Amino acid sequence: EAGVTQSPTHLIKTRGQQATLRCSPISGHTSVYWYQQALGLGLQFLLWYDEGEERNRGNFPPRFSGRQFPNYSSELNVNALELEDSALYLCASSPGRAWTEAFFGQGTRLTVV
Amino acid sequence: QKEVEQNSGPLSVPEGAIASLNCTYSDRGSQSFFWYRQYSGKSPELIMSIYSNGDKEDGRFTAQLNKASQYVSLLIRDSQPSDSATYLCAVKGYSSASKIIFGSGTRLSIRP
Repeated sequence: EAGVTQSPTHLIKTRGQQATLRCSPISGHTSVYWYQQALGLGLQFLLWYDEGEERNRGNFPPRFSGRQFPNYSSELNVNALELEDSALYLCASSPGRAWTEAFFGQGTRLTVV
Repeated sequence: QKEVEQNSGPLSVPEGAIASLNCTYSDRGSQSFFWYRQYSGKSPELIMSIYSNGDKEDGRFTAQLNKASQYVSLLIRDSQPSDSATYLCAVKGYSSASKIIFGSGTRLSIRP
């Protein structure tokens, strides 16, 4: 069974541009969570989608947005990129809202230059 | 006050000894607690979950939860060099809409 897959693995963007990151959850999982992990720091909660709806949002500016598609895959969009957006972006999926069997993807390393 | 706090370490433990990792949380209504292991450059992987007060054992790992003290810990027995990693504590609140909050992690180093 395929795990959580994220694309691209690496992404280099220029300050001010937009970045789109994608996540495919494990088959049967309806919840997708997005986290940001800056170098040497912990995981900061970004967004949580379940059944196509946004369930919760972290303390990030509105230029961080996303959506979940009918097949439960998700994308994270970051507009007006800033240098401090450089980080590892992790996606996790779980079968429902309980996070009892949540698994992470390998992450997308975003570098803003 | 941070929502989930961990000592950043590094915590250095001799091979074969017991490693003890601690985590405190601020939301008294939290119901679900998780320990993840993260190797450098890799994504976190789930080690254990615990929901009730007391101890929960899985192989060399034991999770301990004390909701009254808002404290959760992870013990690693017979520590191996392969246990060297960053250990992340994660907490979910009472509501089904509660987000999962991670601590900043404790870096564990097992010395031969």
